[in-house]
Formats: sequence, structure tokens, C-alpha cells
Amino acid sequence: KQEVTQIPAALSVPEGENLVLNCSFTDSAIYNLQWFRQDPGKGLTSLLLIQSSQREQTSGRLNASLDKSSGRSTLYIAASQPGDSATYLCAVSPMYSGGGADGLTFGKGTHLIIQP
Amino acid sequence: KAGVTQTPRYLIKTRGQQVTLSCSPISGHRSVSWYQQTPGQGLQFLFEYFSETQRNKGNFPGRFSGRQFSNSRSEMNVSTLELGDSALYLCASSYRAGVVTEQYFGPGTRLTVT
Repeated sequence: KQEVTQIPAALSVPEGENLVLNCSFTDSAIYNLQWFRQDPGKGLTSLLLIQSSQREQTSGRLNASLDKSSGRSTLYIAASQPGDSATYLCAVSPMYSGGGADGLTFGKGTHLIIQP
Repeated sequence: KAGVTQTPRYLIKTRGQQVTLSCSPISGHRSVSWYQQTPGQGLQFLFEYFSETQRNKGNFPGRFSGRQFSNSRSEMNVSTLELGDSALYLCASSYRAGVVTEQYFGPGTRLTVT
């Protein structure tokens, strides 16, 4: 059974810092990995999607990397801003779809606070 | 293009009652998945519908059910509500079946069971 772990569970840093959020998964047979952002009481906003054949994806100040063999992904946020404060979730999709309970498997998230 | 919409946004129900939640996917998307989010368990997959057929189901009791209509709108139903069903219920849509394509999530329905 796939398990996704995110470290740290919470992080508070001053504005302007570069930071790294970590995600690890136990089964490397994944099709892709997505990073999401969730604001309090809200739904999920997709930030980046990395296909299993890719090593990284970039969008603005965000860069996500994927090392499927070691079961790890990192989300790098450059020049953090107070508006980046949110919970960041990573989720993996199984390699073989349609065979049962194969929805996305999520980590518990990293609660990020950027201090002004 | 309009995003995923969910109604209602908030619900308060009593134990033993049943509830129906609705999800309208992004136009052109035919797959709708449902997830339950609680502080203790995090986000957990409930089920996925594609072209009006349930394709996958997570490890939830039979009290949780769903359906999809010909216009891809989906409903989920929870019968005989329990206190532990209090959660944020999220739906996600994608244009292909399965989770191999990017999932777009709605704002969720906050269900409180008293």
C-alpha cells in the first residue's frame, strides 16, 4: 500500500527566504506526482505536476523535483512571500489505473507560514 | 473556463440522517473523483466516476455511494450519518479516466454531523 510522508509538518520562516518542502513515497511505481496548495477551509490548487519520466518542473518561483528511484520529491519556493502561507500537499498517482482503489494518495501536508 | 463547482458549500446534519453532495466538473471533463479530508486521516480517496460508471472505489463503507449523470455532473450520498463523517468533501475532475492526468479540485463541501 502506497504511503506518502511530508516533512516538516509545519514550517515558519521570515519573508524572502528560499525554502524546501519534502515528500517521500514508499512505492516507486507511480505515474505522476502533483504538488497542491490548500488555503484554510478551501479546496486544492494544483501547483505542479511531474510525470514519472521527468526530473523536475518549474512554475514561476516554484520548482519541483522528482527522484522516483529513491521515492522522493522536493518543492523549492524561492524568495518566499506572505501570500505563500498555506498548506502544501503532495500526491502520487499509481502506475496502473483502473484496477481498484487507485485514486491519488496524499501526504498529510506541510503547513507553511511566511512571516512579514 | 469555469472551475469545478460543489454545492452546497456547508451542511449541518444530525446522526442517522442522509446527505447528498453535488459536483459539477470543468466543461469537457468526464472523470469525477471524490475525496474525504479530515484532520486525523488527511485526504482519502472515496471513488471515481467516468462516463456514468464507477471505475474505482476506496476503502469506505457502503454507506458512501455516488453516481454520475450524462452531463458528467456527479453526486455523492452518505446514508446513516455518523459523527466521524464530519469532514471536508472534495471532488476533482479530469478529462481522462484515472489519475494519470492532472486533477482539478473544487472548493469542497464542509459537512458537520451533530
